[in-house]
Amino acid sequence: DGGITQSPKYLFRKEGQNVTLSCEQNLNHDAMYWYRQDPGQGLRLIYYSQIVNDFQKGDIAEGYSVSREKKESFPLTVTSAQKNPTAFYLCASRQGAFGNQPQHFGDGTRLSIL
Amino acid sequence: DAKTTQPPSMDCAEGRAANLPCNHSTISGNEYVYWYRQIHSQGPQYIIHGLKNNETNEMASLIITEDRKSSTLILPHATLRDTAVYYCISKSFSGNTPLVFGKGTRLSVIA
Repeated sequence: DGGITQSPKYLFRKEGQNVTLSCEQNLNHDAMYWYRQDPGQGLRLIYYSQIVNDFQKGDIAEGYSVSREKKESFPLTVTSAQKNPTAFYLCASRQGAFGNQPQHFGDGTRLSIL
Repeated sequence: DAKTTQPPSMDCAEGRAANLPCNHSTISGNEYVYWYRQIHSQGPQYIIHGLKNNETNEMASLIITEDRKSSTLILPHATLRDTAVYYCISKSFSGNTPLVFGKGTRLSVIA
């Protein structure tokens, strides 16, 4: 089936540790996005990428890093510099960086601090 | 991209039509209206989008007023599985900035 796969579904981080969240899509979409959602809140954009080997910071990029070495993959690293990482992380993709095509989302990764 | 305003919550009886309003009074001519929903602990699900004509798909209908300052998402026969937070988003199709999600409307379908 075509879609967006996020893994793991649940992740626990120790103090001072970096963790990486996986996002893979087999939709041949050009653009990919990472969002963070806190309880009772809307989505906030962390990073996005419109093409391989290029990405831009979103509204809350501090403490996070990404890479886009392959079209189908856009991993997010939550670094130890992110002091409040507990949240629900959502990955999305879209067919083109421009135009009116909608974004489609994965099922998310829930990150907690041990 | 225009700011959208939605009521924080709504109730709907099961089997009845759910009509979810959205105000986007500052929308410009090249902005589409998108609707998503998010069921608890899942990723947002795309529902429908439109520019100025009414749109219908297997999930819902989207009615956009003639002046494009507001729209209504219609779920024709709401079920308990439609209980979710519904987001209305306005986005220019000529821009490359991502969608901006607000707090949406929490729809509760009641048996």
